[in-house]
Amino acid sequence: AQSVTQLDSQVPVFEEAPVELRCNYSSSVSVYLFWYVQYPNQGLQLLLKYLSGSTLVKGINGFEAEFNKSQTSFHLRKPSVHISDTAEYFCAVESARQLTFGSGTQLTVLP
Amino acid sequence: NAGVMQNPRHLVRRRGQEARLRCSPMKGHSHVYWYRQLPEEGLKFMVYLQKENIIDESGMPKERFSAEFPKEGPSILRIQQVVRGDSAAYFCASSPSRGKGGEAFFGQGTRLTVV
Repeated sequence: AQSVTQLDSQVPVFEEAPVELRCNYSSSVSVYLFWYVQYPNQGLQLLLKYLSGSTLVKGINGFEAEFNKSQTSFHLRKPSVHISDTAEYFCAVESARQLTFGSGTQLTVLP
Repeated sequence: NAGVMQNPRHLVRRRGQEARLRCSPMKGHSHVYWYRQLPEEGLKFMVYLQKENIIDESGMPKERFSAEFPKEGPSILRIQQVVRGDSAAYFCASSPSRGKGGEAFFGQGTRLTVV
């Protein structure tokens, strides 16, 4: 069975500052990892994914994440955030085509 | 190419009524997934379907909930005799035969309110 823990439920940050959203997972098998963004009253949009290969993955909107197998982490980072990045972010792990999501991190970018 | 279409976007039902949620996958996609998002929580897997087949329904409540994906037409998530605890956002996602479940495209969701 898989589980995903997002350590911070709320992350406020000032515009143009860097941000890191933390995600830890547990799984007994090899995993595929994903980060999604959800804007208010919208569906989920895929930001980036780790399937195999390089542990540093780059996604849309300037986000990147690093897969760390020894620490079972997949933290999301952006060097400089914009007001438009304000949204809920979900980390997820997949097994047998079924996604297990974390409880989400609300990123609020302050002017 | 239209995205995953869900309707209605908002649905209000009284306790005891039935709720029918529809999902039209993206063109060429034969895999459909349903997820439920309760307030202040992440999404929880409910069911994974291919055309005319339920592949994995391990996340579906044992009673009152059913899902189908017929040969023709949209996938339907049906909730009978709704209760207040069914109030949630229900998301559908679709993917082609190849690729990972996490690479599926999500619809905008149906927000069900039970009064």
